[in-house]
Amino acid sequence: AQTVTQSQPEMSVQEAETVTLSCTYDTSENNYYLFWYKQPPSRQMILVIRQEAYKQQNATENRFSVNFQKAAKSFSLKISDSQLGDTAMYFCAFLIQGAQKLVFGQGTRLTINP
Amino acid sequence: DGGITQSPKYLFRKEGQNVTLSCEQNLNHDAMYWYRQDPGQGLRLIYYSQIVNDFQKGDIAEGYSVSREKKESFPLTVTSAQKNPTAFYLCASSMSSPETQYFGPGTRLLVL
Repeated sequence: AQTVTQSQPEMSVQEAETVTLSCTYDTSENNYYLFWYKQPPSRQMILVIRQEAYKQQNATENRFSVNFQKAAKSFSLKISDSQLGDTAMYFCAFLIQGAQKLVFGQGTRLTINP
Repeated sequence: DGGITQSPKYLFRKEGQNVTLSCEQNLNHDAMYWYRQDPGQGLRLIYYSQIVNDFQKGDIAEGYSVSREKKESFPLTVTSAQKNPTAFYLCASSMSSPETQYFGPGTRLLVL
């Protein structure tokens, strides 16, 4: 069975600091996609970043970047120069090639303090 | 504006009542999905549809039903057989599988 584990239920940092959220996953598949979604207090799920497993280069989206370690099945999210608007629940998820279901972790509640 | 809309934002269900949650998208996406989110948890897949007039069960389909008569619309009915319907329901769509899924704003369902 495919699983996603986010080992940090809550994190809190000061504005402008850098923070890294951890995610590990378990699958026997070789072709898959990894995602980080953000869920602010409005509760809408917003895509933060996407990584294809076949790509060795880590994805980057402005202040957001990932550290993808395929052998270790690790997919951490780094937020640089954190802003108050980054306060949200962050979910790690993956999607197997040919499958329909996004498998989600339990989430990490991130608070950015002024 | 292109996007996914869900209505209503809040929905109250009485015992034994069926209720329907609306999901509409104007992104011209082929695939649509329904997820359920319980407090402190990630999302779980209820149903998905890759094309019009076709849909498949997800992990927790019991007590739910869907239809896909139009590409733009994928309504979810929570039937009286669903004994614990209180949750936050999110609709998503993607161009195809396994493309990135984009989510609507959600519907909060509460039982009276």
